[in-house]
Amino acid sequence: EAGVAQSPRYKIIEKRQSVAFWCNPISGHATLYWYQQILGQGPKLLIQFQNNGVVDDSQLPKDRFSAERLKGVDSTLKIQPAKLEDSAVYLCASSTPGLALNTQYFGPGTRLTVL
Amino acid sequence: GNSVTQMEGPVTLSEEAFLTINCTYTATGYPSLFWYVQYPGEGLQLLLKATKADDKGSNKGFEATYRKETTSFHLEKGSVQVSDSAVYFCALRTLSNTGKLIFGQGTTLQVKP
Repeated sequence: EAGVAQSPRYKIIEKRQSVAFWCNPISGHATLYWYQQILGQGPKLLIQFQNNGVVDDSQLPKDRFSAERLKGVDSTLKIQPAKLEDSAVYLCASSTPGLALNTQYFGPGTRLTVL
Repeated sequence: GNSVTQMEGPVTLSEEAFLTINCTYTATGYPSLFWYVQYPGEGLQLLLKATKADDKGSNKGFEATYRKETTSFHLEKGSVQVSDSAVYFCALRTLSNTGKLIFGQGTTLQVKP
């Protein structure tokens, strides 16, 4: 079974530029998560989708971050314009529907450096 | 609010030493508890989990027991190997927060031959 795919693996941009990350979840997984992991910290949820609907985006800085999940499969996370403090690893995870018991499977992440 | 606190790292051990990584949590209700591991250059992998008080999760020689009375979920292994070198994250999930995971800050383990 293929895992969660993410691209690119690394990205370096200058502040005020825009950037986009892509995630392809495990086939059949209706729930998709984007987490931000700043160096030295644990991952923090940015947004959660159930199929193509948003379940939780309370921690997403909506003035600069946006995400979509068209057709309930792939997802794209965008930052525009980027700030220095956005330097982090962006992790995508997916799971089958349900709340407490279903395991979240993580992709390898995209490491973003903002100069 | 819900939160997870882990012991500071890095933890440096010799091969075959005993490992303990402390994890305590604050949560409303009855959370499920998890340990994830992140090997260098790889994504997070679920190591073990426990869904109710007194449950013991175990995998690959690692164990953790859900202690509601002390709100703890300490990770242990009797004999570590160099290949166990990684970053370990404790996390919780409650039924009330849509299934999202709340992570601790991570503990780096370095095992020397």
